[in-house]
Amino acid sequence: NAGVTQTPKFQVLKTGQSMTLQCAQDMNHNSMYWYRQDPGMGLRLIYYSASEGTTDKGEVPNGYNVSRLNKREFSLRLESAAPSQTSVYFCASGRQIRNTEAFFGQGTRLTVV
Amino acid sequence: QKEVEQNSGPLSVPEGAIASLNCTYSDRGSQSFFWYRQYSGKSPELIMSIYSNGDKEDGRFTAQLNKASQYVSLLIRDSQPSDSATYLCAVMITGGGNKLTFGTGTQLKVEL
Repeated sequence: NAGVTQTPKFQVLKTGQSMTLQCAQDMNHNSMYWYRQDPGMGLRLIYYSASEGTTDKGEVPNGYNVSRLNKREFSLRLESAAPSQTSVYFCASGRQIRNTEAFFGQGTRLTVV
Repeated sequence: QKEVEQNSGPLSVPEGAIASLNCTYSDRGSQSFFWYRQYSGKSPELIMSIYSNGDKEDGRFTAQLNKASQYVSLLIRDSQPSDSATYLCAVMITGGGNKLTFGTGTQLKVEL
């Protein structure tokens, strides 16, 4: 009954360090998403993937890269972390892009100092 | 203009009352609409989806959609203190690619 699993749950980075946030889903969903959530800003889409092998930019892609490794996994990479990337990151997945609900992981709280 | 707009609140209602949450969206081609509930420090949880004009009821929750007015709402009947949370409206925006786009959320407080 795992659903969408994100690792790690918490992370502190120094400015300029790199890291990869991992996301895996076991619901055989086609679409996957990465969001960031900041106070007063709601959920903002960073990147999404409609299917294995495809990725598209969302509202705030700068400073991030993604990889859809296979149908289950969608990773988010910060190549050179900046304090402005301090946020809570959520991964979500859905069966298909149209007419479907998205289900969320538990989130990763990232602090860049 | 934001693609999905909600009043940030807080919206305060007494226990047992009806809470009414509203959302407007800009993309006329959108076909899929969702309401999520998010407790503080937790991840969003889907509570309703709606795809056709009209009302859709699920327990104490009713989602209403009016595509002509580009308006989605959520009614919570017999509000309970446990309903106190932030409610996020989400729309599948079809223009320029299919993106699940969220409003900033409305904070609901149900008072005893």
